[in-house]
Amino acid sequence: KAGVTQTPRYLIKTRGQQVTLSCSPISGHRSVSWYQQTPGQGLQFLFEYFSETQRNKGNFPGRFSGRQFSNSRSEMNVSTLELGDSALYLCASSIAGVSYNEQFFGPGTRLTVL
Amino acid sequence: QKEVEQDPGPLSVPEGAIVSLNCTYSNSAFQYFMWYRQYSRKGPELLMYTYSSGNKEDGRFTAQVDKSSKYISLFIRDSQPSDSATYLCAINTPLVFGKGTRLSVIA
Repeated sequence: KAGVTQTPRYLIKTRGQQVTLSCSPISGHRSVSWYQQTPGQGLQFLFEYFSETQRNKGNFPGRFSGRQFSNSRSEMNVSTLELGDSALYLCASSIAGVSYNEQFFGPGTRLTVL
Repeated sequence: QKEVEQDPGPLSVPEGAIVSLNCTYSNSAFQYFMWYRQYSRKGPELLMYTYSSGNKEDGRFTAQVDKSSKYISLFIRDSQPSDSATYLCAINTPLVFGKGTRLSVIA
């Protein structure tokens, strides 16, 4: 069974630009969560999607948004990029996302904002 | 006070040592407790999870939860160089992570 895939793996953008990251969950998984990982703040929850609906949201500004498609694939978008958005963005999928279900992480997209 | 506190290390031990990794948390309502391992340039992978106080063992790994003290631990016995990674505690759903402890096991 293929794992969680994320594209692209590396990305370089400049301040003010916007970026879209993609995540394909494990087949059969309906929940997709996004996290930001930085050396200073660690791993922080961005949002979770389940059946195309955002079910939970972390404490990030509105510049961070996401969506989920009917095939459970998900995208996240960051508009008006800032230097502080440089981070590893991780996507994780789970079967249902209700109560505890093991989350499987992808390798991440490394975003560098110049 | 952060919801989950974890000593970032780094922690360096000789091969074969017993490793103890710890986290504290602030919210007594937290129910699910997990340990993830993250190798360099990879996403985290789940090592162990538990939802009750007490110990849970899996091979060389033991997870311990003390809800009265809001304290969770991961013990690694007979540590190997392949255990060198960053270990992250995570609590509840959606996951709240500690900052991770970088572990190096020296052969």
